[in-house]
Amino acid sequence: GAVVSQHPSWVICKSGTSVKIECRSLDFQATTMFWYRQFPKQSLMLMATSNEGSKATYEQGVEKDKFLINHASLTLSTLTVTSAHPEDSSFYICSAPGLAGAGDTQYFGPGTRLTVL
Amino acid sequence: RKEVEQDPGPFNVPEGATVAFNCTYSNSASQSFFWYRQDCRKEPKLLMSVYSSGNEDGRFTAQLNRASQYISLLIRDSKLSDSATYLCAVRSGGSYIPTFGRGTSLIVHP
Repeated sequence: GAVVSQHPSWVICKSGTSVKIECRSLDFQATTMFWYRQFPKQSLMLMATSNEGSKATYEQGVEKDKFLINHASLTLSTLTVTSAHPEDSSFYICSAPGLAGAGDTQYFGPGTRLTVL
Repeated sequence: RKEVEQDPGPFNVPEGATVAFNCTYSNSASQSFFWYRQDCRKEPKLLMSVYSSGNEDGRFTAQLNRASQYISLLIRDSKLSDSATYLCAVRSGGSYIPTFGRGTSLIVHP
C-alpha cells in the first residue's frame, strides 16, 4: 500500500524556536495532504489542507502565520511551527488521500511528537 | 453537541471476551464511516470501513444505524494485541475530509 513518511519522528525544542516537519509520499504523488494535531487522549484535529502549487487551506482557529505550510512538490509537504511555545507541544500527523478517491482512504504518516520546553 | 462522539473508556476486558463500542454522529448527511485503530504514540491505521449493510472482517464486525446516527464496532474473542484506541471517523457528502472521534481505549488483560 501507499506509504507516507514524516521527519522527524520526535523533536524537543526551546520556546521561541521554529520547528519544521516534513511529510513525504514515498511511492505516489499527492497533490493534497492533510495536517492534523492530536493532544493526549483527544481526537485528531484537522489543522489545514496542503495543496501542491497553491496556498494551504486552514481550519477555523488555526493561525496561518504560526503554522506555515509549504507543498513544494507532489511528494513533499512541510509544516513549520514558528515561535513554538509549550502549548504547541502535541502529536502532529500528516496524511494523504488514498488513490481510490479523496477521503475514502487516508494514508497517515507515523507522526511527529513535538515537545516545547 | 460534538460532530462525532465516543465514550473514551477505558474498556477493560479479559482475553476471549466480546466487546462493543459505539460512535454517534450529529450530521445526518454523513455518507462514509470508518473505524481506525491507534496504538500509543503511533498514527491511526484503518481497521475497516463501515457499510450500510454492516460488514465483518474476521473477529471484527462493524454496523451502521442511520436512524439513530451511530456506528458500532464489535470485537469477538479479544486478544491481548487488540489493546489500543479505536477511533471512528465520519465523512459527510459535503467534505472529502473525515471528522474523527476522540477514540475509545480498549485494554485486554490476561
